[in-house]
Amino acid sequence: GIQVEQSPPDLILQEGANSTLRCNFSDSVNNLQWFHQNPWGQLINLFYIPSGTKQNGRLSATTVATERYSLLYISSSQTTDSGVYFCAVTYASGGSYIPTFGRGTSLIVHP
Amino acid sequence: DAGVIQSPRHEVTEMGQEVTLRCKPISGHDYLFWYRQTMMRGLELLIYFNNNVPIDDSGMPEDRFSAKMPNASFSTLKIQPSEPRDSAVYFCASSLTGFKPQHFGDGTRLSIL
Repeated sequence: GIQVEQSPPDLILQEGANSTLRCNFSDSVNNLQWFHQNPWGQLINLFYIPSGTKQNGRLSATTVATERYSLLYISSSQTTDSGVYFCAVTYASGGSYIPTFGRGTSLIVHP
Repeated sequence: DAGVIQSPRHEVTEMGQEVTLRCKPISGHDYLFWYRQTMMRGLELLIYFNNNVPIDDSGMPEDRFSAKMPNASFSTLKIQPSEPRDSAVYFCASSLTGFKPQHFGDGTRLSIL
Protein backbone atom coordinates (compact mmCIF):
# COMPACT_ATOMS: atom_id res chain seq x y z
CA GLY A 1 0.00 0.00 0.00
CA ILE A 2 0.88 3.66 -0.14
CA GLN A 3 3.16 5.16 2.50
CA VAL A 4 2.33 8.52 4.07
CA GLU A 5 5.06 10.21 6.09
CA GLN A 6 4.58 13.39 8.08
CA SER A 7 7.24 15.62 9.51
CA PRO A 8 8.16 16.77 12.01
CA PRO A 9 6.53 14.29 14.42
CA ASP A 10 6.51 16.87 17.19
CA LEU A 11 6.62 20.65 17.19
CA ILE A 12 6.65 23.17 20.04
CA LEU A 13 6.05 26.83 19.29
CA GLN A 14 5.60 30.11 21.08
CA GLU A 15 2.39 31.91 20.33
CA GLY A 16 2.79 34.10 17.27
CA ALA A 17 5.35 31.90 15.53
CA ASN A 18 4.93 30.46 12.05
CA SER A 19 5.36 26.80 11.10
CA THR A 20 5.35 24.43 8.13
CA LEU A 21 4.18 20.83 8.34
CA ARG A 22 5.02 18.38 5.59
CA CYS A 23 3.33 15.28 4.18
CA ASN A 24 5.12 12.99 1.73
CA PHE A 25 3.37 10.14 -0.04
CA SER A 26 4.90 7.29 -1.97
CA ASP A 27 2.57 7.02 -4.98
CA SER A 28 -0.06 8.89 -6.98
CA VAL A 29 -3.16 9.80 -5.02
CA ASN A 30 -6.67 10.89 -5.94
CA ASN A 31 -7.24 13.17 -3.01
CA LEU A 32 -5.52 14.60 0.02
CA GLN A 33 -6.95 16.08 3.17
CA TRP A 34 -5.48 17.85 6.17
CA PHE A 35 -7.17 17.36 9.54
CA HIS A 36 -6.68 18.87 12.97
CA GLN A 37 -7.39 16.59 15.92
CA ASN A 38 -8.11 18.89 18.83
CA PRO A 39 -7.43 18.07 22.49
CA TRP A 40 -10.97 16.67 22.80
CA GLY A 41 -10.21 14.13 20.08
CA GLN A 42 -12.38 15.61 17.35
CA LEU A 43 -11.09 15.39 13.78
CA ILE A 44 -11.69 18.70 12.06
CA ASN A 45 -11.41 19.11 8.29
CA LEU A 46 -8.89 21.80 7.39
CA PHE A 47 -8.35 21.36 3.67
CA TYR A 48 -9.35 19.10 0.82
CA ILE A 49 -6.42 19.69 -1.50
CA PRO A 50 -5.50 17.05 -4.10
CA SER A 51 -3.47 19.73 -5.89
CA GLY A 52 -2.79 23.45 -5.83
CA THR A 53 -2.93 25.95 -3.01
CA LYS A 54 -5.72 26.97 -0.66
CA GLN A 55 -5.94 29.43 2.18
CA ASN A 56 -8.28 29.73 5.13
CA GLY A 57 -7.43 32.53 7.51
CA ARG A 58 -4.08 31.89 9.15
CA LEU A 59 -3.81 28.46 7.57
CA SER A 60 -2.84 27.59 4.05
CA ALA A 61 -1.91 24.40 2.23
CA THR A 62 -0.12 23.49 -0.95
CA THR A 63 -0.06 20.10 -2.67
CA VAL A 64 2.39 19.31 -5.46
CA ALA A 65 0.94 16.04 -6.67
CA THR A 66 3.63 15.42 -9.29
CA GLU A 67 6.30 15.55 -6.59
CA ARG A 68 4.15 13.67 -4.05
CA TYR A 69 4.09 16.09 -1.16
CA SER A 70 1.84 18.55 0.59
CA LEU A 71 2.62 21.38 2.99
CA LEU A 72 0.46 22.94 5.69
CA TYR A 73 1.41 26.45 6.80
CA ILE A 74 0.31 27.89 10.11
CA SER A 75 0.99 31.58 10.58
CA SER A 76 0.81 33.58 13.79
CA SER A 77 0.10 30.44 15.78
CA GLN A 78 -2.31 30.52 18.71
CA THR A 79 -2.71 28.20 21.68
CA THR A 80 -5.92 26.91 20.12
CA ASP A 81 -3.84 25.52 17.24
CA SER A 82 -2.45 22.89 19.59
CA GLY A 83 -3.29 19.31 18.74
CA VAL A 84 -2.32 16.73 16.15
CA TYR A 85 -2.34 17.48 12.44
CA PHE A 86 -3.01 14.57 10.10
CA CYS A 87 -2.52 14.22 6.41
CA ALA A 88 -4.77 11.63 4.74
CA VAL A 89 -4.61 10.45 1.14
CA THR A 90 -6.96 8.30 -0.91
CA TYR A 91 -5.90 6.22 -3.86
CA ALA A 92 -7.71 3.81 -6.14
CA SER A 93 -6.73 0.15 -5.99
CA GLY A 94 -8.53 -2.74 -7.64
CA GLY A 95 -11.85 -0.94 -7.73
CA SER A 96 -11.58 0.24 -4.13
CA TYR A 97 -10.75 3.63 -2.72
CA ILE A 98 -8.18 3.27 0.04
CA PRO A 99 -7.87 6.13 2.56
CA THR A 100 -4.53 6.16 4.41
CA PHE A 101 -3.52 8.44 7.25
CA GLY A 102 -0.06 9.59 8.22
CA ARG A 103 1.04 9.32 11.87
CA GLY A 104 0.52 13.03 12.41
CA THR A 105 2.45 16.04 13.69
CA SER A 106 1.81 16.84 17.33
CA LEU A 107 1.83 20.62 17.84
CA ILE A 108 1.99 22.43 21.15
CA VAL A 109 1.67 26.22 21.14
CA HIS A 110 2.73 27.91 24.37
CA PRO A 111 1.30 31.30 25.40
CA ASP B 1 -26.76 20.59 8.64
CA ALA B 2 -26.05 17.86 11.15
CA GLY B 3 -22.68 16.22 10.87
CA VAL B 4 -21.83 12.56 11.32
CA ILE B 5 -23.38 11.33 14.55
CA GLN B 6 -21.86 8.52 16.57
CA SER B 7 -23.12 6.82 19.70
CA PRO B 8 -22.26 6.15 22.38
CA ARG B 9 -19.47 8.67 23.02
CA HIS B 10 -17.93 6.45 25.67
CA GLU B 11 -18.32 2.74 26.36
CA VAL B 12 -16.77 0.78 29.19
CA THR B 13 -17.50 -2.91 29.33
CA GLU B 14 -16.01 -6.17 30.48
CA MET B 15 -14.09 -8.58 28.37
CA GLY B 16 -16.33 -11.05 26.57
CA GLN B 17 -19.31 -8.73 26.25
CA GLU B 18 -20.81 -7.71 22.93
CA VAL B 19 -20.22 -4.10 21.93
CA THR B 20 -22.26 -2.21 19.35
CA LEU B 21 -21.17 1.15 17.99
CA ARG B 22 -23.56 3.23 15.92
CA CYS B 23 -23.18 5.82 13.20
CA LYS B 24 -25.50 8.11 11.28
CA PRO B 25 -23.79 9.59 8.22
CA ILE B 26 -24.46 12.98 6.68
CA SER B 27 -27.63 12.87 4.60
CA GLY B 28 -26.87 12.33 0.91
CA HIS B 29 -23.40 10.89 1.45
CA ASP B 30 -22.94 7.62 -0.39
CA TYR B 31 -19.76 6.49 1.36
CA LEU B 32 -19.35 5.49 5.00
CA PHE B 33 -16.07 4.58 6.66
CA TRP B 34 -15.20 3.00 10.00
CA TYR B 35 -11.76 3.73 11.50
CA ARG B 36 -9.95 2.75 14.66
CA GLN B 37 -7.37 4.97 16.37
CA THR B 38 -4.76 3.65 18.78
CA MET B 39 -1.43 5.01 19.95
CA MET B 40 0.40 2.04 18.46
CA ARG B 41 -1.20 1.92 15.02
CA GLY B 42 -2.57 5.42 14.52
CA LEU B 43 -5.73 5.84 12.44
CA GLU B 44 -6.52 2.74 10.42
CA LEU B 45 -9.41 2.01 8.10
CA LEU B 46 -11.50 -0.99 9.15
CA ILE B 47 -14.21 -1.11 6.47
CA TYR B 48 -16.10 1.15 4.12
CA PHE B 49 -19.50 1.05 2.42
CA ASN B 50 -20.75 2.49 -0.85
CA ASN B 51 -24.52 2.84 -1.14
CA ASN B 52 -24.93 0.56 1.90
CA VAL B 53 -22.79 -2.22 0.38
CA PRO B 54 -19.50 -3.21 2.05
CA ILE B 55 -16.72 -2.61 -0.47
CA ASP B 56 -13.47 -3.22 1.38
CA ASP B 57 -13.27 -4.93 4.77
CA SER B 58 -9.62 -5.88 4.56
CA GLY B 59 -8.89 -3.75 7.61
CA MET B 60 -11.27 -5.62 9.90
CA PRO B 61 -8.94 -7.25 12.40
CA GLU B 62 -10.70 -10.60 12.83
CA ASP B 63 -14.00 -12.43 12.80
CA ARG B 64 -14.99 -10.91 16.11
CA PHE B 65 -15.62 -7.66 14.24
CA SER B 66 -18.61 -7.16 11.97
CA ALA B 67 -20.20 -4.12 10.35
CA LYS B 68 -23.56 -3.56 8.72
CA MET B 69 -25.35 -0.77 6.95
CA PRO B 70 -29.04 -1.68 6.73
CA ASN B 71 -29.99 1.66 5.18
CA ALA B 72 -28.47 4.92 3.99
CA SER B 73 -28.77 6.61 7.37
CA PHE B 74 -27.45 4.01 9.79
CA SER B 75 -24.47 1.74 10.31
CA THR B 76 -23.24 -0.44 13.16
CA LEU B 77 -19.89 -1.89 14.11
CA LYS B 78 -20.08 -4.89 16.43
CA ILE B 79 -17.41 -6.64 18.43
CA GLN B 80 -18.30 -10.03 19.86
CA PRO B 81 -16.71 -11.16 22.08
CA SER B 82 -14.77 -8.04 23.07
CA GLU B 83 -11.16 -8.20 24.31
CA PRO B 84 -8.99 -5.64 26.15
CA ARG B 85 -6.88 -5.11 22.99
CA ASP B 86 -9.98 -3.75 21.25
CA SER B 87 -9.80 -0.67 23.47
CA ALA B 88 -9.45 2.32 21.15
CA VAL B 89 -11.31 5.28 19.72
CA TYR B 90 -13.58 4.25 16.86
CA PHE B 91 -14.48 6.86 14.27
CA CYS B 92 -17.13 6.88 11.61
CA ALA B 93 -16.82 9.16 8.57
CA SER B 94 -18.89 9.82 5.47
CA SER B 95 -18.31 11.41 2.09
CA LEU B 96 -20.23 12.19 -1.09
CA THR B 97 -18.00 9.99 -3.25
CA GLY B 98 -14.87 7.92 -2.75
CA PHE B 99 -12.66 10.87 -3.59
CA LYS B 100 -14.55 13.68 -1.93
CA PRO B 101 -13.69 15.05 1.53
CA GLN B 102 -14.46 12.81 4.47
CA HIS B 103 -16.34 14.24 7.44
CA PHE B 104 -15.77 12.57 10.79
CA GLY B 105 -18.00 11.97 13.76
CA ASP B 106 -16.75 12.71 17.26
CA GLY B 107 -15.78 9.07 17.84
CA THR B 108 -16.58 6.43 20.42
CA ARG B 109 -13.98 5.88 23.13
CA LEU B 110 -14.14 2.16 23.92
CA SER B 111 -12.55 0.61 27.00
CA ILE B 112 -12.63 -3.15 27.48
CA LEU B 113 -11.73 -4.20 31.02
